[in-house]
Amino acid sequence: DVKVTQSSRYLVKRTGEKVFLECVQDMDHENMFWYRQDPGLGLRLIYFSYDVKMKEKGDIPEGYSVSREKKERFSLILESASTNQTSMYLCASSGPNGQLNEQFFGPGTRLTVL
Amino acid sequence: GDSVTQMEGPVTLSEEAFLTINCTYTATGYPSLFWYVQYPGEGLQLLLKATKADDKGSNKGFEATYRKETTSFHLEKGSVQVSDSAVYFCALSDRGYSTLTFGKGTMLLVSP
Repeated sequence: DVKVTQSSRYLVKRTGEKVFLECVQDMDHENMFWYRQDPGLGLRLIYFSYDVKMKEKGDIPEGYSVSREKKERFSLILESASTNQTSMYLCASSGPNGQLNEQFFGPGTRLTVL
Repeated sequence: GDSVTQMEGPVTLSEEAFLTINCTYTATGYPSLFWYVQYPGEGLQLLLKATKADDKGSNKGFEATYRKETTSFHLEKGSVQVSDSAVYFCALSDRGYSTLTFGKGTMLLVSP
């Protein structure tokens, strides 16, 4: 059974803290994605990665960075968390480049920044 | 740029009613189209997809037809169940690497 796991379901952090959100997939997928989900705004792409150590900005990369040192793991980093980064964060992965493959999603991390 | 517009919710129906959730898109290329569903407390999962004009995607009694002339991909189900209560997202893929552009989501509430 395919699986995308995220390190935490709920997270509470203070303004200014450095925050790491971890995502792991067990499907040997090339592509991995980070989205944030907000009411009334749907899902918005923050960053994606199509290979180890490769990354591309999505639609809303400001205030975020990512790291992909291993194929199965994709981390989202908030260098200095702010209250407007309170949101649900969803990680996803998909298969080989050049093919149209569905994205498989993790359960999400609900982050609250106080 | 690409965009997806879907009807605002919540859509409230009684069990066994007919469901339509409208979705229209704008894309520069020839996108593939998807419907994803998010059940309470879970991540998104693919419901159905269509990759070319006039394709019909179907799954679990849900259907959607890729209409290029009207740039639409409306989701339908003939008889909804309480267990169909969820948020439904229309999406398109047009940018390579399977990146998706999502609509804002439509919440469906089905009562017994």
